[in-house]
Amino acid sequence: DAGVTQSPTHLIKTRGQQVTLRCSPKSGHDTVSWYQQALGQGPQFIFQYYEEEERQRGNFPDRFSGHQFPNYSSELNVNALLLGDSALYLCASSFGLASNTGELFFGEGSRLTVL
Amino acid sequence: KQEVTQIPAALSVPEGENLVLNCSFTDSAIYNLQWFRQDPGKGLTSLLLIQSSQREQTSGRLNASLDKSSGRSTLYIAASQPGDSATYLCAVSLRGAGSYQLTFGKGTKLSVIP
Repeated sequence: DAGVTQSPTHLIKTRGQQVTLRCSPKSGHDTVSWYQQALGQGPQFIFQYYEEEERQRGNFPDRFSGHQFPNYSSELNVNALLLGDSALYLCASSFGLASNTGELFFGEGSRLTVL
Repeated sequence: KQEVTQIPAALSVPEGENLVLNCSFTDSAIYNLQWFRQDPGKGLTSLLLIQSSQREQTSGRLNASLDKSSGRSTLYIAASQPGDSATYLCAVSLRGAGSYQLTFGKGTKLSVIP
């Protein structure tokens, strides 16, 4: 049973550039959430996608955007990168919005370094 | 706004010792509480999930308890092993805020010394 997969695992960008991160949810899951984890901190919720729509959003600027495809996979896009965007970006998948136990399964993350 | 605090921030114990990690949260209207393990530079591995109606969950040497009214949870690890060395994160989801939006603590970094 394939778990949550993310790509790329590591990437380096410079300030002002744009980045796209990708996530495939665990088999049978239809909901994808993205989290940002700065060094030494707990993950912070960015947004959640279900049925190809953004359903919940955390306290992140519009530079952070996303997309969910019909096969439930998802992308996270960050424009105009800042040094402070350097972090581990985690994707989590689950089934449904409020009809299940609410357990989330996380991928290994994408480590973004902005120089 | 929900806030999650984990104490201690770091813990070092000799192999074989039993230990307790603490988690507290400010809003008791939670949907569930989840404990995760994170190895350096890696993703999160779910350890235990406790629904708001439950008091505890057990998996092997791990036992998690939940006292929703006091806003506290503990993770008990029995007979610790060097392989248990990792950062342990506690996270809660709020009822009505979207079941799967988690608020995390900063974690407790555990080192088990052989």
